[in-house]
Amino acid sequence: EAQVTQNPRYLITVTGKKLTVTCSQNMNHEYMSWYRQDPGLGLRQIYYSMNVEVTDKGDVPEGYKVSRKEKRNFPLILESPSPNQTSLYFCASSFLGGGEKLFFGSGTQLSVL
Amino acid sequence: AQSVAQPEDQVNVAEGNPLTVKCTYSVSGNPYLFWYVQYPNRGLQFLLKYITGDNLVKGSYGFEAEFNKSQTSFHLKKPSALVSDSALYFCAVRDMGGGSQGNLIFGKGTKLSVKP
Repeated sequence: EAQVTQNPRYLITVTGKKLTVTCSQNMNHEYMSWYRQDPGLGLRQIYYSMNVEVTDKGDVPEGYKVSRKEKRNFPLILESPSPNQTSLYFCASSFLGGGEKLFFGSGTQLSVL
Repeated sequence: AQSVAQPEDQVNVAEGNPLTVKCTYSVSGNPYLFWYVQYPNRGLQFLLKYITGDNLVKGSYGFEAEFNKSQTSFHLKKPSALVSDSALYFCAVRDMGGGSQGNLIFGKGTKLSVKP
């Protein structure tokens, strides 16, 4: 089944403790992206990747890192999480690019205490 | 700069009635417009898109959207709402700005509630 898989589904952590949210897609998509969803703000893009070893900042990249060493994986890294990074995070992928049909993961609800 | 607005935070409709979820956009050039739906505890799912051609676009689950260039709108519609249509709906426009590499800009979302 074609899908985007994120893990974990829920995560509670404390300020400053490094964490990684994994994202994997099995559709051989070139493009992958991370979004955060906050009430009243909709979806905001954090980082995106057009291909392996090619990443770029979205609208709200501060406090986040990403890597794209393999085509299928696009982990989101929070080196020193802070409470303002408490949010619902979505990974998405697309065959052709960011302006095409996106396939989304089920989301990761992160709480930073 | 490209932008998209969803003027209603929530839309309430009775089952069987027609529904409309509104979206307006601002772009330079020809717009690429999308609608996505988010069911509770799920990721977003693609519903439909407009790039060019017929102003009425048909999508998944019986939804359609009407592109209106003069009013810069792309409203989502369905002739007869179902309780199972209750979800969060996002309009999006493709950002044609140089720094964003054609990524999608999402609206803030409209919560649709369909009552039996």
